[in-house]
Amino acid sequence: NAGVTQTPKFRILKIGQSMTLQCTQDMNHNYMYWYRQDPGMGLKLIYYSVGAGITDKGEVPNGYNVSRSTTEDFPLRLELAAPSQTSVYFCASSQADFNQPQHFGDGTRLSIL
Amino acid sequence: GEDVEQSLFLSVREGDSSVINCTYTDSSSTYLYWYKQEPGAGLQLLTYIFSNMDMKQDQRLTVLLNKKDKHLSLRIADTQTGDSAIYFCAESSWGKLQFGAGTQVVVTP
Repeated sequence: NAGVTQTPKFRILKIGQSMTLQCTQDMNHNYMYWYRQDPGMGLKLIYYSVGAGITDKGEVPNGYNVSRSTTEDFPLRLELAAPSQTSVYFCASSQADFNQPQHFGDGTRLSIL
Repeated sequence: GEDVEQSLFLSVREGDSSVINCTYTDSSSTYLYWYKQEPGAGLQLLTYIFSNMDMKQDQRLTVLLNKKDKHLSLRIADTQTGDSAIYFCAESSWGKLQFGAGTQVVVTP
């Protein structure tokens, strides 16, 4: 049972570099989400998508971009990496909407030096 | 401050019961959730409760909801070393999931 799969698991970037965090789910869920988790804090929503072709900003979208070309995939892009983006990033999905339980991937640990 | 608040740390002896508390602010929340995060892993949904319920039991887990006080608790019976983790409370609020900062539970032999 794959569920939500995130790659890579770890990455170190230099300031100003760009990268894409990959997320795919095999549960045919319409809703997908990207969160970041900073030490001692709860998860903050970066972007979310309610279906293929539709995305919207969450609480902390600055410095990130997303796309949703298929139901399964929801990549998160960092264009100009900054030290403030050092964090653990989680992708999640849910069947219908925010009120439904969200299923999480194992996270991507990103350090920007 | 955070809309969802939890104490940061709980130490419990193996075999005892653990109680993790959470307060939230949105009285219109439909669902309230408990997630568990083990080191190096993602969040695992433990249980959730619909807002029109005041209690839900699932094996060793008991969730209590006091809507008047906006207070949610998770009780783990017969706590085991495998229960050591960070536990997050979350409410569905204004179309998004609002998480607390997490309670780190340490189980000692």
